[in-house]
Amino acid sequence: DAGVTQSPTHLIKTRGQQVTLRCSPKSGHDTVSWYQQALGQGPQFIFQYYEEEERQRGNFPDRFSGHQFPNYSSELNVNALLLGDSALYLCASTLAPLPVTQYFGPGTRLTVL
Amino acid sequence: AQSVTQLDSQVPVFEEAPVELRCNYSSSVSVYLFWYVQYPNQGLQLLLKYLSGSTLVKGINGFEAEFNKSQTSFHLRKPSVHISDTAEYFCAVKRNTDKLIFGTGTRLQVFP
Repeated sequence: DAGVTQSPTHLIKTRGQQVTLRCSPKSGHDTVSWYQQALGQGPQFIFQYYEEEERQRGNFPDRFSGHQFPNYSSELNVNALLLGDSALYLCASTLAPLPVTQYFGPGTRLTVL
Repeated sequence: AQSVTQLDSQVPVFEEAPVELRCNYSSSVSVYLFWYVQYPNQGLQLLLKYLSGSTLVKGINGFEAEFNKSQTSFHLRKPSVHISDTAEYFCAVKRNTDKLIFGTGTRLQVFP
């Protein structure tokens, strides 16, 4: 049973650039959530996708956008990168209609120089 | 709105000693409660969860937690820790379909 997978593992970008992170949910899951975990902090919710639409959004600027594909995989896009965007980005998947328990991937470590 | 407080940022303990990691939450409605573990340079792994029913919940790796509604707590315990338990532990809360809200984490350091 394949778990949540994310790519790439690590990424280094410079300020002002754009980045795309990818996530494949656990087998059988249809809902994907993205979290940002800054160094020494707990994860913060960015947004959640279900049926290819953004269902919930946390307190993140519009520079953060996402997409969900028909096969339930998802992308997180961040434009105009800032130094403060350096973090571990975690993807979590779950199964509607009662998506209680979220299962996390290994994360993508983004470093902005 | 919900929030989670993990009272201890670091907990040092010797191997084979018992440990308790404290978690308190605030919410005006019923919530689900979770503990996740994060090993160095890895993602989050679900340790255990409280959805309903028995207030004592058993998880993986010998961990257990007790839901106390009157004290709004969900403390994590293990009777005898191993070196391999050294990791960051996160308590989290959520409503039905809502997002997970995490505490700031507790670093458990097990010494030989």
